[in-house]
Amino acid sequence: EVVLTQSPDFQSGTPKEKVIITCRASQSIGSSLHWYQQKPDQSPKLLIKYASQSISGVPSRFSGSGSGTDFTLTISGLEAEDAAAYYCHQSGNLPWTFGQGTKVEIK
Amino acid sequence: EVQLEESGGTLVQPGGSLRVSCAASGFTFRSFEMNWVRQAPGKGLEWVSYISTRGNTIYYADSVKGRFTISRDNAKNSVSLQMNSLRAEDTAVYYCARGGEKGWELDHWGQGTLVTVSS
Repeated sequence: EVVLTQSPDFQSGTPKEKVIITCRASQSIGSSLHWYQQKPDQSPKLLIKYASQSISGVPSRFSGSGSGTDFTLTISGLEAEDAAAYYCHQSGNLPWTFGQGTKVEIK
Repeated sequence: EVQLEESGGTLVQPGGSLRVSCAASGFTFRSFEMNWVRQAPGKGLEWVSYISTRGNTIYYADSVKGRFTISRDNAKNSVSLQMNSLRAEDTAVYYCARGGEKGWELDHWGQGTLVTVSS
């Protein structure tokens, strides 16, 4: 099973700050890595697919990069509405797995 | 607009069975893979099961293999998860999620249905 380890577990930032969340896979998964945002009491929402591909309707301040085992999600200018948990998800190897999540708080 | 609506979650005793379902609308259901993902209270996401467009390819997480069965009815635009031999650790919100263009990213999610396994 591919283990995804996100860091940090918790991030607190001020508006307009740049936030970077990393996701490390226990083995190479190519670009089969996706990012989701889950706000409190809501279902997850796809933010980035295949490591760096943007999703229609998602603000351009969200971007992704990486391949193989190391991936990043960048929020280029934090906004109040970005307070949420963020999860990475790999579909490169069965069983598909998720990272443990990173909670982002706005100061 | 893509809509996924889960139903069937309830309180069930350990060892019991339950079927949760997901009604899809707003897209050509038969053309998309479907998945179930669960989230225990206060915890992260766990992928549970996948079914291909025609239902001929199915995958399960090891934690549910042999106990859960995924199925779909393309005529009724629905996907279901039959859960048997339920355990306390199966307590979670169960989400159905649509596979995206390549099938592997989860591009739309329902609101979830809560399954509680407790005596």
